[in-house]
Amino acid sequence: AQSVAQPEDQVNVAEGNPLTVKCTYSVSGNPYLFWYVQYPNRGLQFLLKYITGDNLVKGSYGFEAEFNKSQTSFHLKKPSALVSDSALYFCALRPDYKLSFGAGTTVTVRA
Amino acid sequence: NAGVTQTPKFQVLKTGQSMTLQCAQDMNHEYMSWYRQDPGMGLRLIHYSVGAGITDQGEVPNGYNVSRSTTEDFPLRLLSAAPSQTSVYFCASSYSQLSNQPQHFGDGTRLSIL
Repeated sequence: AQSVAQPEDQVNVAEGNPLTVKCTYSVSGNPYLFWYVQYPNRGLQFLLKYITGDNLVKGSYGFEAEFNKSQTSFHLKKPSALVSDSALYFCALRPDYKLSFGAGTTVTVRA
Repeated sequence: NAGVTQTPKFQVLKTGQSMTLQCAQDMNHEYMSWYRQDPGMGLRLIHYSVGAGITDQGEVPNGYNVSRSTTEDFPLRLLSAAPSQTSVYFCASSYSQLSNQPQHFGDGTRLSIL
């Protein structure tokens, strides 16, 4: 079975501190992994993806993600969080033509 | 750039009513899909289409129909609305069905069924 999990429902950090949102996956074959962000009353916006190559992927708004095959993880990171980063974050796996989402992690960055 | 446009943004229905949620994209994308978003469950795939005239079921297709007569449009039909279908519905598209393509999402339709 192919699946993706986000072990934390909520992440709270202070502005300026590092932000990490965790994601683990299970798939047979090549893992095509994505991160999306959702702001209130909006659709999902694409942040970054891992297809192949470098394990550190850089994306939009200063976010990056580290692919770790041995730990089957794809954690999203930002070195210095902003209040405007407060949103709902989804990790997603696309082993074929279907996209499977994690349950989402709500990030709150306090000033 | 319009991207993916969904209408209506909000809708309230009574149990048993039918309605169609509209989705249109202007990016000439071949792949389109419908998801529902429920708290704590992420997004679940309802139906998808890899091109005009081709549709298939996703994870939670019961109670929904789709058609794809043109590349641009991918409407979702609720045949007989039930309270369990209260949700936020998102339409998404990508250039192709290839796994490395990110999807572009509309802003959603918030549907309440009484």
